[in-house]
Parts: sequence; structure tokens; C-alpha cells
Amino acid sequence: EDQVTQSPEALRLQEGESSSLNCSYTVSGLRGLFWYRQDPGKGPEFLFTLYSAGEEKEKERLKATLTKKESFLHITAPKPEDSATYLCAVQRNRDDKIIFGKGTRLHILP
Amino acid sequence: DAGVIQSPRHEVTEMGQEVTLRCKPISGHDYLFWYRQTMMRGLELLIYFNNNVPIDDSGMPEDRFSAKMPNASFSTLKIQPSEPRDSAVYFCASSFRVGGTEAFFGQGTRLTVV
Repeated sequence: EDQVTQSPEALRLQEGESSSLNCSYTVSGLRGLFWYRQDPGKGPEFLFTLYSAGEEKEKERLKATLTKKESFLHITAPKPEDSATYLCAVQRNRDDKIIFGKGTRLHILP
Repeated sequence: DAGVIQSPRHEVTEMGQEVTLRCKPISGHDYLFWYRQTMMRGLELLIYFNNNVPIDDSGMPEDRFSAKMPNASFSTLKIQPSEPRDSAVYFCASSFRVGGTEAFFGQGTRLTVV
């Protein structure tokens, strides 16, 4: 069964303390892997798409990487405004269905 | 483009009543998705459409749920009759069909069934 597992469920960091969020996946044919950010009371906001193992994408303090089994979202020197839930999702080849993980709630303390 | 537009933003209804949620996708997007989000289960795909045709409705919880897409610019998700366990935030999203492309989400409808 195709599935996406994110860890940890929640993470508290001090401002400036770098860390990584993990997304492990099993899917029968990966078309793409997505990272989203979700703020309370809002819909998920797209961050990155990764298509193949070895690929990396960066945006400000965030960098996403992809292997054949997992993806990492690295956050460098985070700020309080980076606090949000980060969602990972995979899209499968055969029908373009998108499957989401349950997310990691990130809280950055000032 | 104004993005994906959902209405209403909040809905409170009594158990047994019919509820209709509405969505206007981004113009030109071929795919439309309906998701439900709860604390316990996270974001669950209910159904998605390609060019107005339902492709996979295996996530629809039961026959009380139905979705339609009469044209490329409008979709509805209906719950009849509603139950307290249907309380959740319902999101609509749309995307292009060009390889692996991201979905753009609306602001969601927070449904409370009392």
C-alpha cells in the first residue's frame, strides 16, 4: 500500500537551531514528491517539488532533498516565522493520485 | 488569478441536515481534488476529478458523501445527511497535468455538525 510517513510529529527549536524533518514514502512509481507549509486556519502552501533521487531544492532557509525512500526538509537557522506544519506528499505515476503525510508541527522559539 | 476559492469558509449545521461545499478551481487547471483534514487523520483525499470526470472516489467515506463537477470552473461536495463525525476542515485543490505538478489549495471550509 502506498503511504507517506513523516517524523517527528512535532518539533520545538530555538531560533537559529538548525534541524531536519523526515518524510519516508512507499509508492508504486513516483511522479513527484511535494513539500507544503500550512499555517493555522489556512490551506497548505506549496514549497517544493522533487522528481528524482539526488535532486535538491532551496528556498531561503529551507532545503529539500530526495532519495529513493525518503525526503528531508532541512531548515537552517530558523526564525519564529518559520513556525508552521510542514506536509510531505507523493504523486504516483499510474493515476496522478497525491497522498499526504500527517505533517510535522514545527515551533521555533524566539 | 485569485487562486482556488471555497465557500463557505465556516459552516455550522445540525445533524441530519444537508451540507453543500463549493469550490472554484484555478482557471486552466485540469485536476480538482477534495480533501478532508482532521487532527486525528491528517489530510485525506476524498475524490479527485480530471477534466470534470471523477477518477478516484475511493476516499469518500460513505454514500452520504457525493461530489460533482458540472463544468471546469465549479465543483461541489455534498453531505446528506450530515453527522457530528463529519466535522472537519474540507479543502479543495487544483493542479495542471504537466508531469509532477503541485496542487494549489483553497482556504478550506470548516464544518461543524452539532
